Amino acid sequence: EAGVAQSPRYKIIEKRQSVAFWCNPISGHATLYWYQQILGQGPKLLIQFQNNGVVDDSQLPKDRFSAERLKGVDSTLKIQPAKLEDSAVYLCASSLHRAASTGELFFGEGSRLTVL
Amino acid sequence: KNQVEQSPQSLIILEGKNCTLQCNYTVSPFSNLRWYKQDTGRGPVSLTIMTFSENTKSNGRYTATLDADTKQSSLHITASQLSDSASYICVPCGEDDKVIFGPGTSLSVIP
Repeated sequence: EAGVAQSPRYKIIEKRQSVAFWCNPISGHATLYWYQQILGQGPKLLIQFQNNGVVDDSQLPKDRFSAERLKGVDSTLKIQPAKLEDSAVYLCASSLHRAASTGELFFGEGSRLTVL
Repeated sequence: KNQVEQSPQSLIILEGKNCTLQCNYTVSPFSNLRWYKQDTGRGPVSLTIMTFSENTKSNGRYTATLDADTKQSSLHITASQLSDSASYICVPCGEDDKVIFGPGTSLSVIP
């Protein structure tokens, strides 16, 4: 079974530029998550989708971050304009179940962003 | 406020030795707790999941314990191997479906 696919694996940009990350979840997984993981810290939830609807985006900095999952499968996370503090690994995860309390999260390998 | 603390922050052990990682959390009401292993440059992978009624659960050389009354969990690794070098993350989940990732313990196993 194919896992969660993410691209690009690495991206270096200058501050105020824009960047987009792509995620393809495990086939059949209706729930998709984007996490931000800063070096030395645990992942922090940015947004949770159930099919193509947003379940939780309370921690998404909406002035610069946006995410979409138009057809309920692939998802993109965009940052525009980027700030130095956005340097982190962006992890995509998917789950068969809507509830995080019952469904195991399967993570991709992440997209490492460096903002100069 | 829901919080997760893990100790130690980092640990270095010799190959073949055992170690125990600690997790304290304040998630309430509590539903379950997972331990994840995150290799460098990779995404986290689930090791175990425990509900509030379970005290211990094993997965090979990994044994997790849970005391829901004191809100503490531990992960014991037996006969460590070089491949155990990773970050181990404690993840309690509340009944409100909020999943809180701890900061992780970085384990280095050296020959």
